[in-house]
Amino acid sequence: EADIYQTPRYLVIGTGKKITLECSQTMGHDKMYWYQQDPGMELHLIHYSYGVNSTEKGDLSSESTVSRIRTEHFPLTLESARPSHTSQYLCASSAIDSGYEQYFGPGTRLTVT
Amino acid sequence: TQLLEQSPQFLSIQEGENLTVYCNSSSVFSSLQWYRQEPGEGPVLLVTVVTGGEVKKLKRLTFQFGDARKDSSLHITAAQPGDTGLYLCAAKMNTGFQKLVFGTGTRLLVSP
Repeated sequence: EADIYQTPRYLVIGTGKKITLECSQTMGHDKMYWYQQDPGMELHLIHYSYGVNSTEKGDLSSESTVSRIRTEHFPLTLESARPSHTSQYLCASSAIDSGYEQYFGPGTRLTVT
Repeated sequence: TQLLEQSPQFLSIQEGENLTVYCNSSSVFSSLQWYRQEPGEGPVLLVTVVTGGEVKKLKRLTFQFGDARKDSSLHITAAQPGDTGLYLCAAKMNTGFQKLVFGTGTRLLVSP
């Protein structure tokens, strides 16, 4: 069973606020990912990391930033939230020799008013 | 341009019926995965197929990878309400990083 956690699960916040979405995994996976998903739609990769001190932008342009100071932790930050950032944010991780299989957290549903 | 097209987009059936959903691409992939996502949760990996023509079974679910490794299908026998969810296929891009591209998804609703 995958052990990857995201907090908060739900967040409603006003425009202009700074927010950080937390993601932690206890599996020792090197690779971690952030996806954005609108309800019932496909996933879009917005950030990924090879390991500690590595971060890369994904396929979908995002105003968010990420950091990877510890293997188990991959937080995502929005400096100034806007209504267009309203979405579900999913964190995932994979092992270097897993056959590319990704394990997902439960997601954070963000609403910016 | 969507790399992985899934069909149908939405499927509503009665308990006990059989169904097949498809994942198609014009690209060749080294492996393909199927995930199921329930509302408000993250996707959960169901299976990975690697070899062209490969067939894998998971209880009532049968997964097949096309011979040319460009497409895949998921067949569910005697669907149950617990099978309700969003089914996503995902394939590994041929880059140095383990990045997946996800399909458009099939939303399945199984009614009692």
